[in-house]
Amino acid sequence: EAGVAQSPRYKIIEKRQSVAFWCNPISGHATLYWYQQILGQGPKLLIQFQNNGVVDDSQLPKDRFSAERLKGVDSTLKIQPAKLEDSAVYLCASSLGFIGREAFFGQGTRLTVV
Amino acid sequence: DQQVKQNSPSLSVQEGRISILNCDYTNSMFDYFLWYKKYPAEGPTFLISISSIKDKNEDGRFTVFLNKSAKHLSLHIVPSQPGDSAVYFCAAKEGGSQGNLIFGKGTKLSVKP
Repeated sequence: EAGVAQSPRYKIIEKRQSVAFWCNPISGHATLYWYQQILGQGPKLLIQFQNNGVVDDSQLPKDRFSAERLKGVDSTLKIQPAKLEDSAVYLCASSLGFIGREAFFGQGTRLTVV
Repeated sequence: DQQVKQNSPSLSVQEGRISILNCDYTNSMFDYFLWYKKYPAEGPTFLISISSIKDKNEDGRFTVFLNKSAKHLSLHIVPSQPGDSAVYFCAAKEGGSQGNLIFGKGTKLSVKP
């Protein structure tokens, strides 16, 4: 079974630039999550989708972050404009069903904002 | 304020001995707890979980203990192996929530040969 795929693996941008991350979840997984992991911290949920609808985006900085999940499968997370404090690993995860338990994570995208 | 706390940033254990990783939580509404393991440059991988209706769950060398009255859980690895060296994250889910996992900051385990 293929895992959660993310791209790119690494990205370096200057502050105020924009960036986009892509995620392809495990086939059949209805729930998709985007997490932000700052160095030395645990992952923090940014947004959760159930199929193509948003379940929880309460911690998404909506003035600069946006996410969508087209047709309930792939998802993109965008930051525009980026700030220095956005430097982190962005993890995508997916799980079966609405009440996700054992979420499966991708390798993440390491973003450095300079 | 952190709802899930892992107060030990690191732990070093000799191969073959027991590793005990601890986790405390403050939210009494949490009903499901998970441990994830993370190697460098990889995403976290699910290790073991426990429901709040249980106090112990075992899977091979890994056992998770839950003490609800103390709001404390621990992960025991016996015997520890060098391949267990990784960062371990404790996570919890609130009952009735839509599945959002709240993570601790992680504990880096080093198992020395």
